[in-house]
Amino acid sequence: DTEVTQTPKHLVMGMTNKKSLKCEQHMGHRAMYWYKQKAKKPPELMFVYSYEKLSINESVPSRFSPECPNSSLLNLHLHALQPEDSALYLCASSWDTDQPQHFGDGTRLSIL
Amino acid sequence: QKEVEQNSGPLSVPEGAIASLNCTYSDRGSQSFFWYRQYSGKSPELIMSIYSNGDKEDGRFTAQLNKASQYVSLLIRDSQPSDSATYLCAVNIHRDDKIIFGKGTRLHILP
Repeated sequence: DTEVTQTPKHLVMGMTNKKSLKCEQHMGHRAMYWYKQKAKKPPELMFVYSYEKLSINESVPSRFSPECPNSSLLNLHLHALQPEDSALYLCASSWDTDQPQHFGDGTRLSIL
Repeated sequence: QKEVEQNSGPLSVPEGAIASLNCTYSDRGSQSFFWYRQYSGKSPELIMSIYSNGDKEDGRFTAQLNKASQYVSLLIRDSQPSDSATYLCAVNIHRDDKIIFGKGTRLHILP
């Protein structure tokens, strides 16, 4: 069990669907992150929110849209994804952007 | 030069021996260094943080940092089969204010 909670754990969607991934932490951390991880590869940073503001956007395609409603919640909205977007999506949080990150269990996403 | 480099392995170590994992980084301004363990199909788990030159010990794990030579290492004493995993080195890239992960080293402890 982790202190960063991600839902759902698994998601299968078609290329025309719209879905959202959710992440929640109650550790008071002020930085939250989305990563994408393919099999046998390291996590790839997608987005960073620091104090609820998007501070890093690693040129991710617009079919991925992050949202940070408050300091405890982070969403990733998905629309018109491609099969190559199938991966493990990890949420993490930390006290600040130079502090150790704590990861959730991830959402395993499959695009049909 | 890549920002954070690790040997991908696999590194095979007999049970009970010391496993030594190495990582080099390019940003001389980096101040924060982390080791994560990731089991197959699971998320990364933080096992060590180190911020100052020298050694930091936590149980069977010792992190070593040498900022002058720009490397950080992780030693695992009395290696157990349960230590078999991928170990990710992560470094704070000071100029970009973000943490970069190395590609990870696969460690296999031989029973």
